[in-house]
Amino acid sequence: QLQLQESGPGLVKPSETLSLTCTVSGGSITSGRYYWGWIRQPPGKGLEWIGSIYYSGSTYYNPSLKSRVTISLDMSKSHFSLKLNSVTAADTAIYYCARVHSPSDSCFEYWGQGALVTVSS
Amino acid sequence: IQLTQSPSSLSASVGDRVTITCRASQGISSYLAWYQQKPGKAPKLLIYAASTLQSGVPSRFSGSGSGTDFTLTISSLQPEDFATYYCQQLTSDSGVTFGPGTKVDIK
Repeated sequence: QLQLQESGPGLVKPSETLSLTCTVSGGSITSGRYYWGWIRQPPGKGLEWIGSIYYSGSTYYNPSLKSRVTISLDMSKSHFSLKLNSVTAADTAIYYCARVHSPSDSCFEYWGQGALVTVSS
Repeated sequence: IQLTQSPSSLSASVGDRVTITCRASQGISSYLAWYQQKPGKAPKLLIYAASTLQSGVPSRFSGSGSGTDFTLTISSLQPEDFATYYCQQLTSDSGVTFGPGTKVDIK
């Protein structure tokens, strides 16, 4: 069974860079031609797609965050990462990593448990 | 592409038939999914391709629609169905967007 687990600092200072890693177990990041994604959810609010990365390394970002986001893949270490720079309090959220249901669609079937990241000095 | 959901919240009783609507700002064919989220948990995929039930999801859940108008129906609400439901559009041109959510609680 595929499992995903987010990890990273729970507290980030304003203007700094938020960095999170999603470790994948029970399957390979590079097999199956799947998209892997990051989604966030501010406390008490709805879901926002941050971006996705294809198994080949191609990336797709939410236009509203594109200038601040980098998603990368580490095939040898079975993880993919999120970097969001110049953070503000508005970036405080639960950050989820996820994998799509199949190579032909973009709905997310497998999710991590989520990591709360607070932006505060 | 923007998604709107209605209602934003509803109160219902066990056994009720519940319908949630999702509307896209432009046609998205059948590239729509529905998720259920309970407090403190990650979303759970219920339906994809507008009407295909995800493996393991009870058959009381169903989805329909294409183009701009979609519905999620719960035929007989069960206690474990009280949650927030989100739609998600999947067209590659504009990336992924989620609807604002519909909270279903107990009447």
